[in-house]
Amino acid sequence: AQSVTQLDSHVSVSEGTPVLLRCNYSSSYSPSLFWYVQHPNKGLQLLLKYTSAATLVKGINGFEAEFKKSETSFHLTKPSAHMSDAAEYFCVVRQDSGTYKYIFGTGTRLKVLA
Amino acid sequence: SQTIHQWPATLVQPVGSPLSLECTVEGTSNPNLYWYRQAAGRGLQLLFYSVGIGQISSEVPQNLSASRPQDRQFILSSKKLLLSDSGFYLCAWGTGNTEAFFGQGTRLTVV
Repeated sequence: AQSVTQLDSHVSVSEGTPVLLRCNYSSSYSPSLFWYVQHPNKGLQLLLKYTSAATLVKGINGFEAEFKKSETSFHLTKPSAHMSDAAEYFCVVRQDSGTYKYIFGTGTRLKVLA
Repeated sequence: SQTIHQWPATLVQPVGSPLSLECTVEGTSNPNLYWYRQAAGRGLQLLFYSVGIGQISSEVPQNLSASRPQDRQFILSSKKLLLSDSGFYLCAWGTGNTEAFFGQGTRLTVV
């Protein structure tokens, strides 16, 4: 069965410094992986997705993630944090066999300090 | 383009009352449909998913049920709400070739 583990429940960075949100996955199949962002009391917005094409995936708002099969990781990065990046981030794996279930990690709350 | 509608946005219901949350999708055919719940400070838990009309799979035992009476309609129901049913409920659709697309959610408070 597929699963994802987000290694940090909370991350704090200063504005202008790099962001690293960590995600490890477990999958019996070649996975499809996603990162979503949720601002307070809002729905979920897709940041980026990996679907077995390029291992370095670029998303919106300057975010990117690298799929590393040997490490079963899909960490989210951004070179320079902005105050508007403060939100909750979810790593998601999709079971690409039959039912296409989307399995969420427990989320990482990003705080950006002025 | 595809859109997903979910209503109501907020709901306050007494314990023991029934529940019906509705979700409809436009612009796509035969989507997979999903209901998730997000408890305060926690991730999203998959409650139900459906791969076709009348086909419902439950992920966790609970006080809720789901139905899919039409291809692009997904309903979450309860006969008698519990306090523990409070949370943020999200409907989503997806296919084998897409990410999951989410509605704006329903904030349910059971009092």
